[in-house]
Amino acid sequence: QQQVKQSPQSLIVQKGGISIINCAYENTAFDYFPWYQQFPGKGPALLIAIRPDVSEKKEGRFTISFNKSAKQFSLHIMDSQPGDSATYFCAASRPGNTDKLIFGTGTRLQVFP
Amino acid sequence: KAGVTQTPRYLIKTRGQQVTLSCSPISGHRSVSWYQQTPGQGLQFLFEYFSETQRNKGNFPGRFSGRQFSNSRSEMNVSTLELGDSALYLCASSRGQTSYNEQFFGPGTRLTVL
Repeated sequence: QQQVKQSPQSLIVQKGGISIINCAYENTAFDYFPWYQQFPGKGPALLIAIRPDVSEKKEGRFTISFNKSAKQFSLHIMDSQPGDSATYFCAASRPGNTDKLIFGTGTRLQVFP
Repeated sequence: KAGVTQTPRYLIKTRGQQVTLSCSPISGHRSVSWYQQTPGQGLQFLFEYFSETQRNKGNFPGRFSGRQFSNSRSEMNVSTLELGDSALYLCASSRGQTSYNEQFFGPGTRLTVL
């Protein structure tokens, strides 16, 4: 059972463009939604996270948009750079249970100069 | 501050064998979680330990087990290895004491089962 659905599977963006990755969840009990970035040969690293009490959170070039009624959230990478080329995972967890993350299937982002 | 370390980084085993993987969390972190990453299934939660007790468990067979020591270091064991156990096994640590715990991942152990 895929509790967090992520799309697209892969994404190619030109340098300076906007990368958008979408996730949808099923369990309305989820209340913590982090995004992770993973480079080849490395473990995932936390990029940014959001809770359902806000609709948007921005950190530098990275923004999470959250739509509670639609049970969807998305990651926007502004001014995408070649160094952003990596695999991105969305995740979700239940209250008081953020050490048990349910991950999306991942999006491989390639940013070309 | 040192990050999460995992040993060994690479392992090759044959079917039927057993394997033990080790994880050292960030200093001060009391929670250690384990995940399996495969191309087909993605990142899947195995289990989480906090203060030497298993606090959460994923949907994996009993061949997968773990433990945590008093210094928060953790080990996971897979017995009777199957070809499908070939994966990257990731360990993550967090303080584990708040409602929203940021998890820090190690580089993983790449297990190949022949």
